[in-house]
Amino acid sequence: AQKVTQAQTEISVVEKEDVTLDCVYETRDTTYYLFWYKQPPSGELVFLIRRNSFDEQNEISGRYSWNFQKSTSSFNFTITASQVVDSAVYFCALSEAGGYNKLIFGAGTRLAVHP
Amino acid sequence: GAGVSQSPRYKVAKRGQDVALRCDPISGHVSLFWYQQALGQGPEFLTYFQNEAQLDKSGLPSDRFFAERPEGSVSTLKIQRTQQEDSAVYLCASTRTGGIGEAFFGQGTRLTVV
Repeated sequence: AQKVTQAQTEISVVEKEDVTLDCVYETRDTTYYLFWYKQPPSGELVFLIRRNSFDEQNEISGRYSWNFQKSTSSFNFTITASQVVDSAVYFCALSEAGGYNKLIFGAGTRLAVHP
Repeated sequence: GAGVSQSPRYKVAKRGQDVALRCDPISGHVSLFWYQQALGQGPEFLTYFQNEAQLDKSGLPSDRFFAERPEGSVSTLKIQRTQQEDSAVYLCASTRTGGIGEAFFGQGTRLTVV
């Protein structure tokens, strides 16, 4: 069965600190996709990144970076120099390949960045 | 509009009432998904449409839940005889194609059953 675990329920940091959000997944598929979404207080989920299971290169986008390690089934997300606007709930999600975009979400990590 | 639009944003229903939740996906998007998000949890898949065809309804929790997308654009999620456990945020998402792609989400409808 597919499963996504985000063990950190809530994280609180002070502005400019770096923070890493953990994501561990389970799947029997050899081909799959991993995602991160941000859910601000307004409610809509905002797409951040998609990686396929064959691409283990780390990715950096501005202050955001992602570390995908197939050996540990992890896809962690780091925010460098956090800002108050980063405060939100962050979800990691998994999708099987070869089909449509049915997402299996983790329970989310609530990040609070304080000034 | 530019994004996925859902209405109403908030709905309070008395237990036993029927409700209908609307989703306007991004124009031209082939795929449409409904998710249910309980308080403090991640969204859970309910159902999937490719154009007007409902290809997966495996996540619908009971036969009180029904979804349709008759013309391949707007979709309605209907819940009959609402129960307290139906209280949640219902999210709609659309993707441009029928495959894996970036899903755009609406702001959701928060349903409270009293």
